[in-house]
Amino acid sequence: LAKTTQPISMDSYEGQEVNITCSHNNIATNDYITWYQQFPSQGPRFIIQGYKTKVTNEVASLFIPADRKSSTLSLPRVSLSDTAVYYCLVGDRGSTLGRLYFGRGTQLTVWP
Amino acid sequence: DTGVSQDPRHKITKRGQNVTFRCDPISEHNRLYWYRQTLGQGPEFLTYFQNEAQLEKSRLLSDRFSAERPKGSFSTLEIQRTEQGDSAMYLCASEGSSYNEQFFGPGTRLTVL
Repeated sequence: LAKTTQPISMDSYEGQEVNITCSHNNIATNDYITWYQQFPSQGPRFIIQGYKTKVTNEVASLFIPADRKSSTLSLPRVSLSDTAVYYCLVGDRGSTLGRLYFGRGTQLTVWP
Repeated sequence: DTGVSQDPRHKITKRGQNVTFRCDPISEHNRLYWYRQTLGQGPEFLTYFQNEAQLEKSRLLSDRFSAERPKGSFSTLEIQRTEQGDSAMYLCASEGSSYNEQFFGPGTRLTVL
């Protein structure tokens, strides 16, 4: 499975847009990019998934360049409640071995 | 609530005791996963079920750990002869038709004294 690299921590202020970039140089052709969010004492929560270009949902946008060696999770106008750990994962969505490999994630702290 | 549930939420035990955790997945999901998470780390995969079949076990799952999913519904994770190093959050997740979109439960926090 492709290894991912993302910043350990990021800080932002309420109302700002936050972009968290993840590197995955060894991404395979069949791999999808998935982001999860985790609050303290809770299980991770699926945010968004994409294969290429741009994906947007009600929570976030995911930007994937043509070479797919990186991806950027964009959170528009963050609030204090967006303070959490964000994990970038890369894997073959079609595999029956759907175990997810989480790294240490990015701790996002939003300040008032 | 139709999400993934886990019981108990917290468990404190003494070293050497056996503990068992239960996970109830989303009812229509046939894939179920167990993960372990320690402070400051992301969840680590332990084992995976497709219906009642246990298809993969991590090297992290020593012979003191056993998991079952009878009838392909709820699952149990048992740890025998607990050690202090077993202290962690144990997370269960279920997955339906969308691969890699796993729904996690709230976890069971185990503390071994």
